[in-house]
Amino acid sequence: EAEVAQSPRYKITEKSQAVAFWCDPISGHATLYWYRQILGQGPELLVQFQDESVVDDSQLPKDRFSAERLKGVDSTLKIQPAELGDSAMYLCASSLTDRAGNTIYFGEGSWLTVV
Amino acid sequence: GDSVTQMEGPVTLSEEAFLTINCTYTATGYPSLFWYVQYPGEGLQLLLKATKADDKGSNKGFEATYRKETTSFHLEKGSVQVSDSAVYFCDIRDDKIIFGKGTRLHILP
Repeated sequence: EAEVAQSPRYKITEKSQAVAFWCDPISGHATLYWYRQILGQGPELLVQFQDESVVDDSQLPKDRFSAERLKGVDSTLKIQPAELGDSAMYLCASSLTDRAGNTIYFGEGSWLTVV
Repeated sequence: GDSVTQMEGPVTLSEEAFLTINCTYTATGYPSLFWYVQYPGEGLQLLLKATKADDKGSNKGFEATYRKETTSFHLEKGSVQVSDSAVYFCDIRDDKIIFGKGTRLHILP
C-alpha cells in the first residue's frame, strides 16, 4: 500500500540552529499538508499545498518557518532559527484532492527536540 | 467558526468492555466527519468516515454514525481489545480541517 514518506524520523537540534524536514506524498496526490502535533494535543495545520501552490499558511509562523513544494510533488518544511517551543512531532499528509470527503493519509511523523 | 469537542481522556476499560468516545461539532456548512487513530510514536491512521447525514462508518469493529440533528459522531465498539489502546481523534472537514484534542484509550487485560 502506498505511503507518505517522511525524513528524518527523529531530530535533535540546538536552539537557534536550522532544521529541515522532507516529505514525499502518495503518488498522484495533489494536496499536501504539514501539521504540527505537540505531545498530548491534536494536529495543528501549518500549511496546505494544492500542487505547488500554497492554499493555506495562516497558522505558519512565517518569521521562522518556511515550506515549499517546488515541483508539486515532494515538500520541505524548514525552521530557522529553531526555538525550544518548536519541540513537537511534524506530520506530513496528503490527499487526492482538497475535497472535504477525501481521506487524508499521514506519514509516520518527524520528531523534533530542540535543546 | 467550526469546532470539535471530544470526550476528555484518558479512558480506561477492561478487555471486552463496550466503548463509546463522544464527539460533537459545530459547523456552518455540511462537513465530512472522520475518526483517526494514533498508536504510540506513529502518525495518524484513518479509522472510519462518513460524508452525509445518517451515514455509518465502520472498520475493525468500530462504528460511528453521522447525526446531523445532534451534530455528533460518537465512536463505538462492542468489545475492545488490548490492541485498541491508542489515541483517537475526531476530525471535521468543510472548508477547514479541524481535529479534536484526542482521547487516550487504555485497555486493561
